[in-house]
Amino acid sequence: GENVEQHPSTLSVQEGDSAVIKCTYSDSASNYFPWYKQELGKRPQLIIDIRSNVGEKKDQRIAVTLNKTAKHFSLHITETQPEDSAVYFCAASGAYKYIFGTGTRLKVLA
Amino acid sequence: DVKVTQSSRYLVKRTGEKVFLECVQDMDHENMFWYRQDPGLGLRLIYFSYDVKMKEKGDIPEGYSVSREKKERFSLILESASTNQTSMYLCASSFGTVNTEAFFGQGTRLTVV
Repeated sequence: GENVEQHPSTLSVQEGDSAVIKCTYSDSASNYFPWYKQELGKRPQLIIDIRSNVGEKKDQRIAVTLNKTAKHFSLHITETQPEDSAVYFCAASGAYKYIFGTGTRLKVLA
Repeated sequence: DVKVTQSSRYLVKRTGEKVFLECVQDMDHENMFWYRQDPGLGLRLIYFSYDVKMKEKGDIPEGYSVSREKKERFSLILESASTNQTSMYLCASSFGTVNTEAFFGQGTRLTVV
């Protein structure tokens, strides 16, 4: 069936450094790729998304890239801050449903 | 501001009980979803619905059923709760057939004893 692989499962970076999280999807029909941030005890919330007709999208310190041929997409966070510490989920969506990756726990060390 | 509200934040049920988890959204979204969240396994899709009275199985439907009698409400039913169904359950909703942001509820932490 459809699946999304996400790596790494945990990531520790020093404050101010960059963080990169990578995902691979299996369903060629996927055309929408959102990223969610889940802080401890809270609901997942969308931080950035990209559609299949776009290769890259940036919003301040976060960016997402998509390689449809390779079925890879990545989240890049620059100049990380302690408040970036959270669990991040990638997802791939085709017809109606969203298939999520297993999550990356990001720790930003002050 | 989209609101997705789950009826309970915490639930404790006994093995064999029938359990109902309720979710309501106030933005007239067509699509609604139930996910289960477990450490190391991410968010796994149990069931989803793209219209009233319509339902589709997700990746882990066994032991669960759903009901969507009204557009704004999507219920997850555990017919006979078991300890391996102890988990965090997240409801979500999204708009229409064009893929857009899914909005999540606050989650229900279910413990089956």
